[in-house]
Amino acid sequence: AQKITQTQPGMFVQEKEAVTLDCTYDTSDPSYGLFWYKQPSSGEMIFLIYQGSYDQQNATEGRYSLNFQKARKSANLVISASQLGDSAMYFCAMREGSNTDKLIFGTGTRLQVFP
Amino acid sequence: EPEVTQTPSHQVTQMGQEVILRCVPISNHLYFYWYRQILGQKVEFLVSFYNNEISEKSEIFDDQFSVERPDGSNFTLKIRSTKLEDSAMYFCASSEDNGAFTHLETEAFFGQGTRLTVV
Repeated sequence: AQKITQTQPGMFVQEKEAVTLDCTYDTSDPSYGLFWYKQPSSGEMIFLIYQGSYDQQNATEGRYSLNFQKARKSANLVISASQLGDSAMYFCAMREGSNTDKLIFGTGTRLQVFP
Repeated sequence: EPEVTQTPSHQVTQMGQEVILRCVPISNHLYFYWYRQILGQKVEFLVSFYNNEISEKSEIFDDQFSVERPDGSNFTLKIRSTKLEDSAMYFCASSEDNGAFTHLETEAFFGQGTRLTVV
């Protein structure tokens, strides 16, 4: 079974609108961390936001927020007021348990923002 | 803003040759990683390195691969006898030691990647 599932290979959104990128995860470990990274066409991976499994509130970072639904094992990224520069690949990732450093990535969602 | 830097940005090598990919992590970071991304596929963990030794490695990281921190600032990935299927984008990343019992919440900062093409 996939540890991280991103079911949307591509998404379109109009500038200034909000968009939700889906991510579900699979783990039996009670301790885990969830991350979102942005990969623009230039290739680098940019950290956006983090949510811990024990966090009581949804994480927010500027225009990014994470809709964390623990019972459903989902950690959807919400981008508000989309900008043309938000066009990129977005990857959801998980660090599973407290004894590992590795991030497990999903297959990504390509977001295109149009004027 | 401090960043992870990788050189070269693009390397072309013949099958069977050895390559060394270089990375300069963020200076106060203590955890270092290599990931790879085959074109069009997801990012895959290769290896993590802490306190001058490998702390974790994936099944991909076989005897063909090795890592080294030769001088306290650089972090290198060596691929011996490259194969066609080694063609990928290789990302170096680093993260700080936040002093907590778990490393769980510490984000990894990635470099811009080295695109390796094996011909």
